[in-house]
Amino acid sequence: DQQVKQNSPSLSVQEGRISILNCDYTNSMFDYFLWYKKYPAEGPTFLISISSIKDKNEDGRFTVFLNKSAKHLSLHIVPSQPGDSAVYFCAAKEGGKLIFGQGTELSVKP
Amino acid sequence: ETGVTQTPRHLVMGMTNKKSLKCEQHLGHNAMYWYKQSAKKPLELMFVYSLEERVENNSVPSRFSPECPNSSHLFLHLHTLQPEDSALYLCASSSWTSADTQYFGPGTRLTVL
Repeated sequence: DQQVKQNSPSLSVQEGRISILNCDYTNSMFDYFLWYKKYPAEGPTFLISISSIKDKNEDGRFTVFLNKSAKHLSLHIVPSQPGDSAVYFCAAKEGGKLIFGQGTELSVKP
Repeated sequence: ETGVTQTPRHLVMGMTNKKSLKCEQHLGHNAMYWYKQSAKKPLELMFVYSLEERVENNSVPSRFSPECPNSSHLFLHLHTLQPEDSALYLCASSSWTSADTQYFGPGTRLTVL
């Protein structure tokens, strides 16, 4: 049973617009959530995180929102740039390990 | 070299072969991880080492055998694999006290014929 789900396998956005990537989870014991970005032929790189005691964390163009009652988090990228095109994974921390979603492939068109 | 490196980057092997994947981290971390990523599936945690001791074995078949000789190196020994083991194998490292922020290597693309 998958505890972290990214239901959209792909997303296409115009340059300059907002990209919204979504993630749902089932385990209310998760205490930390993260987003990783992955380019082809590279490993995932850490992007931004949020503690379960917060509902928003912002870092430049990237903002993560957490809705604990809905068990939902989202990553907003604004404005989107072509270099943001990559696969984005959300992850939840359980004890000492991370549980990842399947990933959403973002394509930002010029 | 900086960060986390993995060799080889690509590997093709038969089901009767024995091979090893290597991971090296240059970040001064004390925890290392092996993940498997199959097509269209989430990253699956395979093994976790903290201070060179295995602390997690995520129900991985015995045909995968990890080895962590020191805090900078991690190996995954492979023998008698199956075609369904073909996947991207990723190594990661972190500080054990900050296990959430993991730094990944580029991965080894494994194909089992």
